[in-house]
Amino acid sequence: QSVLTQPPSASGTPGQRVTISCSGSNSNIGSNVVSWYQHFPGTAPKLLISMNDQRPSGVADRISASKSGTSASLAISGLRSEDEADYYCAGWDDSLSGHVFGTGTKVTVL
Amino acid sequence: QVQLVQSGAEVTNLGASVKVSCKTSGYTFSAYYIQWVRQAPGQGLEWMGWINPNSGGSNYTQTFQGRVTLTRDTSLNTAYMELSRLRSDDTAIYFCGRGGQTRYGLIDYWGQGSLVTVSS
Repeated sequence: QSVLTQPPSASGTPGQRVTISCSGSNSNIGSNVVSWYQHFPGTAPKLLISMNDQRPSGVADRISASKSGTSASLAISGLRSEDEADYYCAGWDDSLSGHVFGTGTKVTVL
Repeated sequence: QVQLVQSGAEVTNLGASVKVSCKTSGYTFSAYYIQWVRQAPGQGLEWMGWINPNSGGSNYTQTFQGRVTLTRDTSLNTAYMELSRLRSDDTAIYFCGRGGQTRYGLIDYWGQGSLVTVSS
């Protein structure tokens, strides 16, 4: 089981803002950077956020993220049908000496 | 542009081994760690391990209890993941990804995934 906990699902109507949380501990989020990925099952995940809040080139500015203490969050504004996917947080865990992924959140556009 | 191209789907037997390749291009292979991640059917993403292409050093999660071997061939800019003593729950899509320039860096570019099916 993952050490980073996310809500299993989140939803919104087109145009709304959806926020996904990622809860960890001092050994991971509390002391290391967080990344966020969008994943359509069966395909390669896509990096949405690196270094806690940095959007790579090509990622829409509707996507934003933040980190505070041992938690992080991802926000999708102006929700679109193409945002319907699975979203994962990830980071390094000092206790495990390895990377960990969050449990994943399925975003549904109603 | 950065690309990681993985080997094709494999169907293999319980107790056997499988080796997945990850051929890279568009960047200096030795400068970035390669990470391996898998996703079993209906499950989330699971980090497996990393290899430093420069030194060949590797590390992996204890979940695999020594069943995984990560190697690379710098002359081919290719990394490999071999999983042995396969079990039915090893059926999954296996992804390689370009990590950072240290072991702490997360994946920014991903391979397309390789489906491994373990048949009984």
